[in-house]
Amino acid sequence: KQEVTQIPAALSVPEGENLVLNCSFTDSAIYNLQWFRQDPGKGLTSLLLIQSSQREQTSGRLNASLDKSSGRSTLYIAASQPGDSATYLCAVEGNTGKLIFGQGTTLQVKP
Amino acid sequence: DTGVSQDPRHKITKRGQNVTFRCDPISEHNRLYWYRQTLGQGPEFLTYFQNEAQLEKSRLLSDRFSAERPKGSFSTLEIQRTEQGDSAMYLCASSLQGAHTEAFFGQGTRLTVV
Repeated sequence: KQEVTQIPAALSVPEGENLVLNCSFTDSAIYNLQWFRQDPGKGLTSLLLIQSSQREQTSGRLNASLDKSSGRSTLYIAASQPGDSATYLCAVEGNTGKLIFGQGTTLQVKP
Repeated sequence: DTGVSQDPRHKITKRGQNVTFRCDPISEHNRLYWYRQTLGQGPEFLTYFQNEAQLEKSRLLSDRFSAERPKGSFSTLEIQRTEQGDSAMYLCASSLQGAHTEAFFGQGTRLTVV
């Protein structure tokens, strides 16, 4: 059974810092891995999708990496801003498109 | 707006009442998913449809829960005889069938059972 773990559960950093969020999964037989952002009381916004054959994806200040063999992904946020404060969720996808989520990392960026 | 739409955004109901939620996916997406999220947790899969066929249901989906997608477009999720433990955010997502397609989520329906 696929299990996804995110570390840390919460993170507080000063504005401008670079940071890394971690995601690990137990079954390497995945199709994709997606990183999402969730603001309080809201739905999920897709940030990056990494296909199983890819090693990384970049969008603006965000960079996500994937190491399938070790069951790990990281989300790197450069030059953090207060507007980046949110919960970040990673999810792995099997062949049906069903997503298995981690519990999320709640990020606070202090001005 | 061509995103995933969910209605209502919030629902407060008394224990024992039935509730129904609606999800309108992105129009060209043939896959539709329902997830449930409780406070401080990641979303958990409930069920999914490919076109009008319901292809998988989680064991979380008790017999009080039923989902439909009658014409392969919008979907409804009904909870009968609601319990306080049903209080959660119910999220809908849609995607195109295929190996590397992105899932798009709606804003969710927040259910509170009092």
